[in-house]
Amino acid sequence: KAGVTQTPRYLIKTRGQQVTLSCSPISGHRSVSWYQQTPGQGLQFLFEYFSETQRNKGNFPGRFSGRQFSNSRSEMNVSTLELGDSALYLCASSLMQGDGYTFGSGTRLTVV
Amino acid sequence: AQSVSQHNHHVILSEAASLELGCNYSYGGTVNLFWYVQYPGQHLQLLLKYFSGDPLVKGIKGFEAEFIKSKFSFNLRKPSVQWSDTAEYFCAVNFNQAGTALIFGKGTTLSVSS
Repeated sequence: KAGVTQTPRYLIKTRGQQVTLSCSPISGHRSVSWYQQTPGQGLQFLFEYFSETQRNKGNFPGRFSGRQFSNSRSEMNVSTLELGDSALYLCASSLMQGDGYTFGSGTRLTVV
Repeated sequence: AQSVSQHNHHVILSEAASLELGCNYSYGGTVNLFWYVQYPGQHLQLLLKYFSGDPLVKGIKGFEAEFIKSKFSFNLRKPSVQWSDTAEYFCAVNFNQAGTALIFGKGTTLSVSS
């Protein structure tokens, strides 16, 4: 079966702009989580959605937001981009809450 | 706050050597435990997981991990590493009171020389 698909793979944005990243989970998976990966901070949890509801949120500013659609696809949005937002953004999906997550290949965001 | 510690930042081994990567977590309640691997240029892959039951869990590619509740530890082991095991290894914990988020350790880079 198809894995977790993230689009786009690479993105370059300018400070102050906003960006939307997309994630299509494995078919049947209703839980989708987002993580930020940087060399300095490692992997940090952003938020988790289950059946279109945000169930948990990490310690990130309000510029980071997300949503989940009825088909379980998810988007995350970052507004007013800062240089420090440059990172690999990973999406992961799971069949059940708290179960093992399958990760996508990520979207590499570079803010210049 | 909940945290996950991986003791070794970089481990260098020769092929056929045994591997043990340490992982400790800060919380004393019910946890779900995971080890993920990230091969160069690839995405994170689940190696193994522990939810309950036998504290010795076996994963893919000959890896295993032991949950020791009294030590808040979940160490990853492999009896004999191969060059293809060169990768970054992440321990992750779901602290049930924190919802469904995975808290990751900083990762351990394993380099295996042939």
